[in-house]
Amino acid sequence: GDQVEQSPSALSLHEGTGSALRCNFTTTMRAVQWFRKNSRGSLINLFYLASGTKENGRLKSAFDSKERYSTLHIRDAQLEDSGTYFCAAEGNYNVLYFGSGTKLTVEP
Amino acid sequence: EAAVTQSPRNKVAVTGGKVTLSCNQTNNHNNMYWYRQDTGHGLRLIHYSYGAGSTEKGDIPDGYKASRPSQENFSLILELATPSQTSVYFCASGSWGSQNTLYFGAGTRLSVL
Repeated sequence: GDQVEQSPSALSLHEGTGSALRCNFTTTMRAVQWFRKNSRGSLINLFYLASGTKENGRLKSAFDSKERYSTLHIRDAQLEDSGTYFCAAEGNYNVLYFGSGTKLTVEP
Repeated sequence: EAAVTQSPRNKVAVTGGKVTLSCNQTNNHNNMYWYRQDTGHGLRLIHYSYGAGSTEKGDIPDGYKASRPSQENFSLILELATPSQTSVYFCASGSWGSQNTLYFGAGTRLSVL
Protein backbone atom coordinates (compact mmCIF):
# COMPACT_ATOMS: atom_id res chain seq x y z
CA GLY A 1 0.00 0.00 0.00
CA ASP A 2 0.91 3.64 -0.22
CA GLN A 3 3.39 4.76 2.39
CA VAL A 4 2.63 8.45 2.03
CA GLU A 5 -0.74 10.17 1.95
CA GLN A 6 -0.62 13.77 0.72
CA SER A 7 -3.44 16.28 0.97
CA PRO A 8 -5.08 18.18 -0.49
CA SER A 9 -4.69 16.99 -4.05
CA ALA A 10 -5.56 20.47 -5.30
CA LEU A 11 -5.54 23.88 -3.63
CA SER A 12 -6.60 27.29 -4.85
CA LEU A 13 -5.40 30.44 -3.08
CA HIS A 14 -5.81 34.15 -3.67
CA GLU A 15 -2.66 36.22 -3.77
CA GLY A 16 -1.53 37.22 -0.30
CA THR A 17 -3.27 34.40 1.51
CA GLY A 18 -1.76 31.20 2.85
CA SER A 19 -2.45 27.59 3.60
CA ALA A 20 -0.80 24.29 4.45
CA LEU A 21 -0.11 21.04 2.70
CA ARG A 22 0.15 17.87 4.73
CA CYS A 23 1.66 14.42 4.35
CA ASN A 24 0.87 11.51 6.64
CA PHE A 25 3.08 8.44 6.75
CA THR A 26 2.00 4.89 7.45
CA THR A 27 5.26 4.05 9.19
CA THR A 28 8.06 5.88 10.95
CA MET A 29 10.21 7.69 8.42
CA ARG A 30 13.72 8.99 8.95
CA ALA A 31 13.31 12.26 7.13
CA VAL A 32 11.12 14.13 4.70
CA GLN A 33 11.77 16.22 1.62
CA TRP A 34 9.51 18.67 -0.14
CA PHE A 35 9.79 19.33 -3.84
CA ARG A 36 8.20 21.64 -6.33
CA LYS A 37 7.81 20.76 -9.97
CA ASN A 38 8.98 23.65 -12.08
CA SER A 39 7.77 24.81 -15.47
CA ARG A 40 10.28 22.55 -17.24
CA GLY A 41 9.03 19.52 -15.36
CA SER A 42 12.05 19.18 -13.11
CA LEU A 43 11.72 18.59 -9.40
CA ILE A 44 13.33 21.26 -7.28
CA ASN A 45 14.29 20.65 -3.66
CA LEU A 46 12.52 22.94 -1.21
CA PHE A 47 13.32 21.40 2.17
CA TYR A 48 15.02 18.43 3.76
CA LEU A 49 14.10 17.75 7.39
CA ALA A 50 15.15 15.00 9.74
CA SER A 51 13.20 16.69 12.55
CA GLY A 52 11.74 20.00 13.65
CA THR A 53 11.00 22.93 11.38
CA LYS A 54 12.73 24.91 8.66
CA GLU A 55 11.80 28.18 7.08
CA ASN A 56 12.79 29.71 3.78
CA GLY A 57 11.15 32.95 2.73
CA ARG A 58 7.42 32.44 2.59
CA LEU A 59 7.67 28.69 3.01
CA LYS A 60 7.91 26.80 6.27
CA SER A 61 8.03 23.07 6.80
CA ALA A 62 7.70 20.83 9.83
CA PHE A 63 8.34 17.14 10.35
CA ASP A 64 7.27 15.00 13.28
CA SER A 65 8.64 11.49 12.90
CA LYS A 66 6.89 10.16 15.98
CA GLU A 67 3.47 11.46 14.92
CA ARG A 68 4.21 10.45 11.30
CA TYR A 69 3.44 13.64 9.44
CA SER A 70 4.96 16.62 7.74
CA THR A 71 3.52 19.96 6.70
CA LEU A 72 4.43 22.67 4.22
CA HIS A 73 3.04 26.11 4.99
CA ILE A 74 2.83 28.80 2.35
CA ARG A 75 2.14 32.38 3.42
CA ASP A 76 1.52 35.49 1.35
CA ALA A 77 1.08 33.34 -1.76
CA GLN A 78 2.25 34.83 -5.06
CA LEU A 79 1.26 33.94 -8.61
CA GLU A 80 4.67 32.35 -9.22
CA ASP A 81 4.03 29.87 -6.39
CA SER A 82 1.57 28.03 -8.61
CA GLY A 83 2.68 24.53 -9.44
CA THR A 84 2.67 20.99 -8.12
CA TYR A 85 4.25 20.23 -4.75
CA PHE A 86 5.38 16.81 -3.61
CA CYS A 87 6.43 15.48 -0.25
CA ALA A 88 8.71 12.48 -0.06
CA ALA A 89 9.51 10.43 3.01
CA GLU A 90 12.84 8.73 3.48
CA GLY A 91 12.61 5.11 4.46
CA ASN A 92 15.41 2.61 4.76
CA TYR A 93 18.22 2.30 2.24
CA ASN A 94 17.93 5.96 1.25
CA VAL A 95 14.87 5.50 -0.92
CA LEU A 96 12.09 8.05 -1.00
CA TYR A 97 8.37 7.35 -0.96
CA PHE A 98 6.47 10.13 -2.67
CA GLY A 99 3.06 11.60 -2.03
CA SER A 100 0.67 11.98 -4.94
CA GLY A 101 1.21 15.73 -5.17
CA THR A 102 -0.73 18.91 -4.52
CA LYS A 103 -1.57 21.14 -7.44
CA LEU A 104 -1.48 24.71 -6.16
CA THR A 105 -3.15 27.50 -8.12
CA VAL A 106 -2.64 31.06 -6.96
CA GLU A 107 -5.17 33.51 -8.38
CA PRO A 108 -5.06 37.31 -8.49
CA GLU B 1 25.16 22.74 -8.52
CA ALA B 2 24.39 19.06 -8.87
CA ALA B 3 23.72 17.95 -12.41
CA VAL B 4 21.61 15.02 -13.60
CA THR B 5 21.02 14.67 -17.31
CA GLN B 6 18.44 12.39 -18.87
CA SER B 7 18.13 11.36 -22.48
CA PRO B 8 16.06 11.32 -24.52
CA ARG B 9 13.66 13.99 -23.26
CA ASN B 10 10.84 12.59 -25.33
CA LYS B 11 10.37 9.15 -26.84
CA VAL B 12 7.65 7.45 -28.81
CA ALA B 13 7.92 3.67 -28.96
CA VAL B 14 5.85 0.85 -30.39
CA THR B 15 4.39 -1.94 -28.33
CA GLY B 16 6.86 -4.80 -28.06
CA GLY B 17 9.83 -2.63 -28.89
CA LYS B 18 12.91 -2.10 -26.73
CA VAL B 19 13.41 1.24 -25.03
CA THR B 20 16.48 2.44 -23.15
CA LEU B 21 16.37 5.56 -21.02
CA SER B 22 19.74 6.98 -20.05
CA CYS B 23 20.80 9.01 -17.05
CA ASN B 24 24.13 10.66 -16.36
CA GLN B 25 25.19 12.44 -13.18
CA THR B 26 28.30 14.50 -12.60
CA ASN B 27 27.85 14.71 -8.81
CA ASN B 28 29.89 11.61 -7.94
CA HIS B 29 26.89 10.35 -5.99
CA ASN B 30 26.76 6.71 -5.01
CA ASN B 31 23.00 6.30 -5.23
CA MET B 32 20.89 6.62 -8.33
CA TYR B 33 17.17 6.07 -8.79
CA TRP B 34 14.55 5.67 -11.50
CA TYR B 35 11.01 6.84 -10.78
CA ARG B 36 7.91 7.11 -12.91
CA GLN B 37 5.28 9.74 -12.36
CA ASP B 38 1.63 9.15 -13.12
CA THR B 39 -1.35 11.27 -12.20
CA GLY B 40 -2.68 10.32 -8.78
CA HIS B 41 0.39 8.27 -7.86
CA GLY B 42 3.16 10.76 -7.28
CA LEU B 43 6.54 9.27 -8.09
CA ARG B 44 6.98 5.54 -7.76
CA LEU B 45 10.35 3.87 -7.45
CA ILE B 46 11.22 1.39 -10.21
CA HIS B 47 14.89 0.54 -9.64
CA TYR B 48 17.78 2.01 -7.73
CA SER B 49 21.49 1.52 -7.33
CA TYR B 50 24.10 1.94 -4.60
CA GLY B 51 27.03 2.18 -6.97
CA ALA B 52 28.59 0.87 -10.13
CA GLY B 53 27.56 -2.70 -10.79
CA SER B 54 24.63 -2.70 -8.36
CA THR B 55 20.93 -2.61 -9.16
CA GLU B 56 18.05 -3.11 -6.75
CA LYS B 57 14.32 -3.52 -7.30
CA GLY B 58 12.08 -0.72 -6.16
CA ASP B 59 8.34 -0.77 -5.63
CA ILE B 60 7.26 -1.40 -9.24
CA PRO B 61 10.11 -3.21 -11.04
CA ASP B 62 8.04 -5.53 -13.23
CA GLY B 63 8.64 -4.93 -16.92
CA TYR B 64 11.83 -2.93 -16.29
CA LYS B 65 15.51 -3.70 -16.03
CA ALA B 66 18.28 -1.41 -14.89
CA SER B 67 21.98 -1.16 -15.56
CA ARG B 68 24.67 0.76 -13.67
CA PRO B 69 27.86 0.33 -15.67
CA SER B 70 29.67 3.20 -13.96
CA GLN B 71 29.30 5.71 -11.14
CA GLU B 72 27.99 8.29 -13.61
CA ASN B 73 25.51 6.29 -15.65
CA PHE B 74 22.28 4.51 -14.78
CA SER B 75 19.99 3.18 -17.50
CA LEU B 76 16.40 1.99 -17.42
CA ILE B 77 15.53 -0.68 -19.97
CA LEU B 78 12.13 -1.72 -21.22
CA GLU B 79 12.75 -4.95 -23.15
CA LEU B 80 9.18 -5.27 -24.40
CA ALA B 81 7.44 -1.93 -24.05
CA THR B 82 3.71 -1.89 -23.33
CA PRO B 83 1.17 0.99 -23.44
CA SER B 84 0.88 0.83 -19.63
CA GLN B 85 4.47 2.03 -19.48
CA THR B 86 3.50 5.34 -21.04
CA SER B 87 4.58 7.80 -18.37
CA VAL B 88 7.09 10.44 -17.37
CA TYR B 89 10.30 8.95 -16.01
CA PHE B 90 12.64 10.73 -13.62
CA CYS B 91 16.19 9.82 -12.77
CA ALA B 92 17.78 11.05 -9.56
CA SER B 93 21.11 10.83 -7.80
CA GLY B 94 21.96 11.23 -4.13
CA SER B 95 24.83 10.85 -1.74
CA TRP B 96 24.98 8.59 1.26
CA GLY B 97 25.29 10.81 4.29
CA SER B 98 23.45 12.76 6.92
CA GLN B 99 21.31 14.51 4.37
CA ASN B 100 20.19 12.38 1.52
CA THR B 101 19.00 15.11 -0.78
CA LEU B 102 18.08 13.83 -4.18
CA TYR B 103 18.82 15.73 -7.36
CA PHE B 104 16.51 15.04 -10.24
CA GLY B 105 16.88 15.08 -13.98
CA ALA B 106 14.41 16.96 -16.14
CA GLY B 107 12.38 13.86 -16.93
CA THR B 108 11.70 11.73 -20.01
CA ARG B 109 8.23 11.60 -21.50
CA LEU B 110 7.65 8.13 -22.96
CA SER B 111 4.66 7.21 -25.07
CA VAL B 112 4.16 3.58 -26.04
CA LEU B 113 1.72 3.18 -28.89
